[in-house]
Amino acid sequence: DAGVIQSPRHEVTEMGQEVTLRCKPISGHNSLFWYRQTMMRGLELLIYFNNNVPIDDSGMPEDRFSAKMPNASFSTLKIQPSEPRDSAVYFCASIVGRGTGAYNEQFFGPGTRLTVL
Amino acid sequence: KQEVTQIPAALSVPEGENLVLNCSFTDSAIYNLQWFRQDPGKGLTSLLLIQSSQREQTSGRLNASLDKSSGRSTLYIAASQPGDSATYLCAEMELVFGKGTKLTVNP
Repeated sequence: DAGVIQSPRHEVTEMGQEVTLRCKPISGHNSLFWYRQTMMRGLELLIYFNNNVPIDDSGMPEDRFSAKMPNASFSTLKIQPSEPRDSAVYFCASIVGRGTGAYNEQFFGPGTRLTVL
Repeated sequence: KQEVTQIPAALSVPEGENLVLNCSFTDSAIYNLQWFRQDPGKGLTSLLLIQSSQREQTSGRLNASLDKSSGRSTLYIAASQPGDSATYLCAEMELVFGKGTKLTVNP
């Protein structure tokens, strides 16, 4: 398996532009997570999905952020409009089945480094 | 709300030394605790996961312990090597992460 795939790896955009980050989880994993990592705040959970359904989006900073998971193999995180304070590394991660009681090792993608000028 | 803290933020040791990384959490009603490694510019790699009912897990030179009553977990690394240099993060379930300890093992 290729692991969790994220695209693009780097994104540079100007303030006010729409940004779309993409994630393909590991096949067979039914829980998907979006995180944001900055030096100041560390790694923060933005939203997670179980079986394509958003479960907890309390970490989404504001209405400018939205996430979708139209099917088990694809998710997007969209920022519209983007602002300089959104600059960070955004990670996607997946696990087999959250809360099943089994060993749920979490697998992370390589991240998307977003710079908003 | 669960808070996870890792102290120190950075640690430098000579090669071959045994070391302990610390992780503390505020809510003892913890489901599981996971330790990760992050290399510069990369995503996180899971090292060990301890379920709430367990007290420790071992993998090779790594041993992680969990003490819910004191709100602490430790990651013990035996006979450290330069290749162990990375940032180590702990997390409660997949929800709350510490800011990590940056470990440097000097040859």
